[in-house]
Amino acid sequence: GESVGLHLPTLSVQEGDNSIINCAYSNSASDYFIWYKQESGKGPQFIIDIRSNMDKRQGQRVTVLLNKTVKHLSLQIAATQPGDSAVYFCAENRANDYKLSFGAGTTVTVRA
Amino acid sequence: GAVVSQHPSWVICKSGTSVKIECRSLDFQATTMFWYRQFPKQSLMLMATSNEGSKATYEQGVEKDKFLINHASLTLSTLTVTSAHPEDSSFYICSAREGQANTEAFFGQGTRLTVV
Repeated sequence: GESVGLHLPTLSVQEGDNSIINCAYSNSASDYFIWYKQESGKGPQFIIDIRSNMDKRQGQRVTVLLNKTVKHLSLQIAATQPGDSAVYFCAENRANDYKLSFGAGTTVTVRA
Repeated sequence: GAVVSQHPSWVICKSGTSVKIECRSLDFQATTMFWYRQFPKQSLMLMATSNEGSKATYEQGVEKDKFLINHASLTLSTLTVTSAHPEDSSFYICSAREGQANTEAFFGQGTRLTVV
């Protein structure tokens, strides 16, 4: 069935470099997307969201890009820090559907 | 952001016993609450969606008689794992939304259940 997925399961980044985490979705009815960060043994933490009427949204050190044409979502983290090491999930919400579906997750490891 | 508190953070129980996990929205009224299960190195799998005052909607493959969900008030939902078995050992996470579908969902800190 349709689901949210991620291109790469792991990402190793040098401290100070920028990180890019990708996500592919296949449900064309999805109109709201969220990126979450999950540290070991904890619940997901909201990072940034974007609605389908936008193609870019910026937060503090993070930017989410949405390409509806190819159903692709990405999270960019500027100047990656050791505290950014975690698993990152994208999640999608279909229009008027209260359910939030999660992708497989990308493990980001920051090298000192 | 809004706070969702989940309790207990970890629990160990014997096979055949039941365990109740609580999820509370501390500073907002949660119209909808979600329960997820997460196995090691895997993603969050939605188990069920509950709306205050009505029966929960379970995802395909989730046994409603085994995973009892109660959403009695706008700030509290409970998940009871009945007759727990070792294969039920997992990380259970709740989430809550205040209103519309396209709004942020806030997550609890999760409950690590170990059935021995």
